[in-house]
Amino acid sequence: GENVEQHPSTLSVQEGDSAVIKCTYSDSASNYFPWYKQELGKRPQLIIDIRSNVGEKKDQRIAVTLNKTAKHFSLHITETQPEDSAVYFCAASPYNKLIFGAGTRLAVHP
Amino acid sequence: EPEVTQTPSHQVTQMGQEVILRCVPISNHLYFYWYRQILGQKVEFLVSFYNNEISEKSEIFDDQFSVERPDGSNFTLKIRSTKLEDSAMYFCASSEEQGNTGELFFGEGSRLTVL
Repeated sequence: GENVEQHPSTLSVQEGDSAVIKCTYSDSASNYFPWYKQELGKRPQLIIDIRSNVGEKKDQRIAVTLNKTAKHFSLHITETQPEDSAVYFCAASPYNKLIFGAGTRLAVHP
Repeated sequence: EPEVTQTPSHQVTQMGQEVILRCVPISNHLYFYWYRQILGQKVEFLVSFYNNEISEKSEIFDDQFSVERPDGSNFTLKIRSTKLEDSAMYFCASSEEQGNTGELFFGEGSRLTVL
């Protein structure tokens, strides 16, 4: 079955710096790759997603890139702010489910 | 904005007891899911449900688990005989499209504590 690896597990940046989180997946049938942000005690919330027919997608300070050949996808957050501090999960979707990575705890220090 | 709602928000139960977690998916959604998250760990897929039947389930979803859509709005997860390791946050989710094409909307979760 699908396996999603996510790195790093923790990431600490200064406000204004960029943050990059990387994921790899194993199942070539996966064709949908969402990123979720989860604040402490809250539900996961979708922040951006990308489909397999697209190599890059951007939404204000957030961008995602996908390399289907290498089975890699990455989240890029620019000009980080303290409110970006949370756990970020990547996911890959083969068929009718999402398989999540282990999460990255991002801390943005003022 | 429509939301997935879950009840209870927190349930404490004794080992061996049955638990039912309830979810009301977004009304026009057709695909329903249960996920769980053990404290500090990743979100794990349990089961997907479409057209009144299970479409896929994980290894975690063994004979102790069952799902049901008893009426037109509720979607339930039953754990027949709870174990200590069932303690986790259980998230219900729904989507308008199949999971590999459409956004999943998560509920706020039901925290289950098994003593």
